[in-house]
Amino acid sequence: KAGVTQTPRYLIKTRGQQVTLSCSPISGHRSVSWYQQTPGQGLQFLFEYFSETQRNKGNFPGRFSGRQFSNSRSEMNVSTLELGDSALYLCASSLRTLNTEAFFGQGTRLTVV
Amino acid sequence: GENVEQHPSTLSVQEGDSAVIKCTYSDSASNYFPWYKQELGKGPQLIIDIRSNVGEKKDQRIAVTLNKTAKHFSLHITETQPEDSAVYFCAATQNSGGSNYKLTFGKGTLLTVNP
Repeated sequence: KAGVTQTPRYLIKTRGQQVTLSCSPISGHRSVSWYQQTPGQGLQFLFEYFSETQRNKGNFPGRFSGRQFSNSRSEMNVSTLELGDSALYLCASSLRTLNTEAFFGQGTRLTVV
Repeated sequence: GENVEQHPSTLSVQEGDSAVIKCTYSDSASNYFPWYKQELGKGPQLIIDIRSNVGEKKDQRIAVTLNKTAKHFSLHITETQPEDSAVYFCAATQNSGGSNYKLTFGKGTLLTVNP
């Protein structure tokens, strides 16, 4: 069974631009969560989508947004990029039933210059 | 919200020794505690988890213990091998299947196993 797939693996963008990252969850998983990983702040929760609806949101500015499609694939978008947005962006998929685990993709390494 | 503290931040052991990583959490409603291993250039890999109705769980060389009263949980790796070298993260969440499914992570422990 294929794991969580994130594309692209690496991105370099300029300050002020916007970026869209993609995540395909494990087949049958309907929940996708996004996390930002940086050396200083560690792993921080961005948001979670389930059945095309945002169910949870972390403490990030409105420049960070996402969506989920009917096939459970998810995208996250960051607008007006800042240098501090440079990070590894990880997505995790789960069945989202009681007693379920979250499985992570390899991440997208975003560098803002 | 939930806060997870993880210690130590770095741990160096000799091959064959045991390694212990400890975490504390603040929210008594948290009931699910996974541990992840992250190797360089890869995403976190779930290695073991424990739920609040269990005090200990073991999977081969890896074990996790949970003390709900003290709000702390620990990862134990026995007979360490060089391939165990990685960053380990603990996490906590209130996993009810409802709207509160988000993981709060510790800052990570860099484990180095010296041959």
